[in-house]
Amino acid sequence: NAGVMQNPRHLVRRRGQEARLRCSPMKGHSHVYWYRQLPEEGLKFMVYLQKENIIDESGMPKERFSAEFPKEGPSILRIQQVVRGDSAAYFCASTAGGPGRYEQYFGPGTRLTVT
Amino acid sequence: DQQVKQNSPSLSVQEGRISILNCDYTNSMFDYFLWYKKYPAEGPTFLISISSIKDKNEDGRFTVFLNKSAKHLSLHIVPSQPGDSAVYFCAPITGGTSYGKLTFGQGTILTVHP
Repeated sequence: NAGVMQNPRHLVRRRGQEARLRCSPMKGHSHVYWYRQLPEEGLKFMVYLQKENIIDESGMPKERFSAEFPKEGPSILRIQQVVRGDSAAYFCASTAGGPGRYEQYFGPGTRLTVT
Repeated sequence: DQQVKQNSPSLSVQEGRISILNCDYTNSMFDYFLWYKKYPAEGPTFLISISSIKDKNEDGRFTVFLNKSAKHLSLHIVPSQPGDSAVYFCAPITGGTSYGKLTFGQGTILTVHP
């Protein structure tokens, strides 16, 4: 886990508010994945980004969720108008990318609680 | 549609003995398989991986076996240590592209007793 930073580690939001989760990849990594783990379940893929590009967002809910990875700064996962069902642990992972380089290195996660 | 199944939610083993964690999958497009370990309140940590062109990969106390025809893989830990107590996830990917999104199983909680 060393190197991938996520903040905040814990986030509490009331229903209807916005949640912003940040992820700074390991040094030298330009590829970021976001995963969500609901209670009692395994992690599920949400989105894959490279700098300034969304490559695969097939796991993202169609509404209220968005992600970005700007040229400068961390990757952001944004959830608008949060609902109780959004309560989960959100993990980001990074890789150096490229063919055959599949090992992803995870951050400690952000635990979102919607009240 | 669960493409990856870890049918044992938990496993309890004595220190020094072997731990065997199993994983079954249904998607024949999976061609690279990773195992992750996760402690509470932390992110998953990469353990070991295996390509579909191999049937075994070993790294220290950890060995992964792949049976492609049965769509089954297993992780062996020998000897098991109390520090191995964690949740273990099997996570295959489709490696045909230049990246691979992980498909996680539900996890197996391993407890190693001193």
